[in-house]
Amino acid sequence: DVKVTQSSRYLVKRTGEKVFLECVQDMDHENMFWYRQDPGLGLRLIYFSYDVKMKEKGDIPEGYSVSREKKERFSLILESASTNQTSMYLCGSREGVNSNQPQHFGDGTRLSIL
Amino acid sequence: GQNIDQPTEMTATEGAIVQINCTYQTSGFNGLFWYQQHAGEAPTFLSYNVLDGLEEKGRFSSFLSRSKGYSYLLLKELQMKDSASYLCAVRDTASGGSYIPTFGRGTSLIVHP
Repeated sequence: DVKVTQSSRYLVKRTGEKVFLECVQDMDHENMFWYRQDPGLGLRLIYFSYDVKMKEKGDIPEGYSVSREKKERFSLILESASTNQTSMYLCGSREGVNSNQPQHFGDGTRLSIL
Repeated sequence: GQNIDQPTEMTATEGAIVQINCTYQTSGFNGLFWYQQHAGEAPTFLSYNVLDGLEEKGRFSSFLSRSKGYSYLLLKELQMKDSASYLCAVRDTASGGSYIPTFGRGTSLIVHP
């Protein structure tokens, strides 16, 4: 079974802090993703990556950056956290670049910015 | 981009059948996924449709009509553990070649005794 692991289930940070969310997958998948999930808005794509050192903006990239130095790890960075970034963050991975394979998700990180 | 619409919430009785609809508008349809997400957990894959018709997997079935921009997820013999959110996600060839699905807002299903 595919395993996607997010480093923290719950995280509390302060406004203006630089925040790192880490995600690791164990199935050698090319694609990795970061979404945020908010009530009434569903999952919205922040960034995705086709492969190591490759990244593409999703629908809501403002205020975020990403890093993919190794194939198994995809990091989401909040450069200067703001209260409107309080949310549930979901990381996912998928086999193949233009694949019809499903995405596999981690359990999520619930981030609160005070 | 896509415009994906699902009901926000549905309720049903244990043992019954429920149908969760998803409508979409897209310029280059390339497949539709259904996921289940229990509260506080990761979404998990249920089904994938790219051609018209019904795909059956045990108690769960998914239907697609590309001409109508319409899909439904059918859950039979409902169990209490089926209480969850159900997410419809549509792939679109227009998404810069990435083929990354766009998710609907999800339908929260409550199953009561």
